[in-house]
Amino acid sequence: EVQLIESGGGLVQPGGSLRLSCVASGFTFSNYEMNWVRQAPGKGLEWVSSISSSGSVIDYADSVKGRFAFSRDNAKNSLYLQMNSLGADDTGVYYCARSLGVVWGKGTTVTVSS
Amino acid sequence: DVVMTQSPLSLPVTLGQAASISCRSSQSLVHNDGNTYLNWFQQRPGQSPRRLIYKVSNRDSGVPDRFSGSGSGTDFTLKISRVEAEDVGVYYCMQGTHWPPVTFGQGTKVEIK
Repeated sequence: EVQLIESGGGLVQPGGSLRLSCVASGFTFSNYEMNWVRQAPGKGLEWVSSISSSGSVIDYADSVKGRFAFSRDNAKNSLYLQMNSLGADDTGVYYCARSLGVVWGKGTTVTVSS
Repeated sequence: DVVMTQSPLSLPVTLGQAASISCRSSQSLVHNDGNTYLNWFQQRPGQSPRRLIYKVSNRDSGVPDRFSGSGSGTDFTLKISRVEAEDVGVYYCMQGTHWPPVTFGQGTKVEIK
């Protein structure tokens, strides 16, 4: 079964850091570009970052550039999103998605609050 | 950045009736390679987004044929020919032609009257 499972969300204080993970299964992970998309409570979808299949090309939304770092380990079928200097605007559900197509995880919730 | 504007933002529909959602982009979504990377996603309550349509009019596997996409350039439409109860949710258009960044519309909430 093709799956993406996110983890690592939680409650963090403003200015803090968090590392999200996403583990893929059921497909050849190293063949696909991968993405993070987030959704603030009651709001729409916002693209956060993408990484090429090899990990050599990474793009970020302006809202997270310089604070977030996206990486992947193709040997472990895993993605990582290191999030630093977190603020209230970063609160939401974070989804990993394969090529922004048909395969999405169930999401992990990040709450930034004191 | 390309701005995606959906209308309406709320769409009450009677079961069995048709529904139509418009999506307009701030610039043409025709890519240099000739393709138009305009996708439609459905997000049912409490669920992850699910892609329904890719490159304007191609239905993803398993998507009922009551869903159809059309349009060109800057104007696109998602139509549901006969709304069923399971179609309740929020629908988003998304452009992947001019990225980064990928951009989404604000979402259209479909509900049953």
